[in-house]
Amino acid sequence: AQRVTQPEKLLSVFKGAPVELKCNYSYSGSPELFWYVQYSRQRLQLLLRHISRESIKGFTADLNKGETSFHLKKPFAQEEDSAMYYCALSPNDYKLSFGAGTTVTVRA
Amino acid sequence: ETGVTQSPTHLIKTRGQQVTLRCSSQSGHNTVSWYQQALGQGPQFIFQYYREEENGRGNFPPRFSGLQFPNYSSELNVNALELDDSALYLCASSYGGVGETQYFGPGTRLLVL
Repeated sequence: AQRVTQPEKLLSVFKGAPVELKCNYSYSGSPELFWYVQYSRQRLQLLLRHISRESIKGFTADLNKGETSFHLKKPFAQEEDSAMYYCALSPNDYKLSFGAGTTVTVRA
Repeated sequence: ETGVTQSPTHLIKTRGQQVTLRCSSQSGHNTVSWYQQALGQGPQFIFQYYREEENGRGNFPPRFSGLQFPNYSSELNVNALELDDSALYLCASSYGGVGETQYFGPGTRLLVL
């Protein structure tokens, strides 16, 4: 069975500081990994996915198969990055397995 | 392009009752997935419908059932409601089944008293 762990429930950083959200997963195969974001009063939306290797809104995520991690990073946090972030895994089938989420607050 | 819509936005039921939640998929999408999100938790997969057939199911009891219609809209039905069913129910649509990006609706907040 697959499992996604986000060890930090809350993360507070200052504007302009780097931010890193941790995500660890357990799955024996090669899953597809995602980061979803939910801004205040908005719906859950895809931020980025591993397979596309894109940088969205300055965020990047690197898959480390050895450490089974998919941490999300941004070098300079902005106030508009304040949101709830979910790491998710899809074992190449029909469902997404989500972590419990990390609430990020970027302070001025 | 119309996004995923869900109705109702919220409702209150009592234990033992039955509830039906509705979801309209995004234009062009033929797959609908349902998730339950309890307070403080990430969404948990309930089941997925692809071209009107159930395409996979999570660890939920049979009293959680669903339908997908020819226009690809979907319903989630929950019978014999329990207090623990209180949650945000999310619907997500996508085109195709495996590995496609899922687009989420705003959710239906269900409170069971």
